[in-house]
Amino acid sequence: QVQLQESGPGLVKPSETLSLTCTVSGGSISSYFWNWIRQSPGKGLEWIGYVYYSGSTNYNTSVKSRVTISIDTSKNQFSLKLRSATAADTAMYYCARVPAAGDPFDYWGQGTLVTVSS
Amino acid sequence: SYELTQPPSVSVSPGQTASLTCSGDKLGNKYASWYQQKPGQSPVLVIYQDSKRPSGIPERFSGSNSGNTATLTISGTQAMDEADYYCQAWDSSTYVFGPGTKVTVL
Repeated sequence: QVQLQESGPGLVKPSETLSLTCTVSGGSISSYFWNWIRQSPGKGLEWIGYVYYSGSTNYNTSVKSRVTISIDTSKNQFSLKLRSATAADTAMYYCARVPAAGDPFDYWGQGTLVTVSS
Repeated sequence: SYELTQPPSVSVSPGQTASLTCSGDKLGNKYASWYQQKPGQSPVLVIYQDSKRPSGIPERFSGSNSGNTATLTISGTQAMDEADYYCQAWDSSTYVFGPGTKVTVL
């Protein structure tokens, strides 16, 4: 059974970089697309972007100028970096898998709450 | 950018049928997926490719998609089905979610 686990700081200062890692266990990170999705408190879901195991990426235009998603297949991990964080980036961040671009999210992590505040 | 619309809330009595709608321009030409999210939990995929159920999802969950509207139907609704439900589509290489519908089982 594939499991995803997010990790990273729960508190980030405004203007700094929000950095999270998702560790994949119970399966290979190869041949899938690995996504970051966030949910602001009491709000809906927003897709941030994905990285393919080859390293190619695709980002939501809403954050494209500030985001980098990368992958380390040797560690079965992928990461999110969101630069110039603001209070609007405060959210629960989920990592999730899709078998192919456009497919639905079949496995999700439990989520990690990141608060942007001084 | 592409947008999906969902009613904020739906109430249903136990054992009755709940119909949740998701609207978007020519949504019927795309695949719709549905996710269930209970408080404090991650979303769970309950319907994909408009009407398919992942393994482990009860048969009371069904879906359809035509024209501008996708529909998630919960037949014989149970108390455990009380949750937020999000529709999702893929448009212009972007994943789009609807704002969600809160299902209350009264």
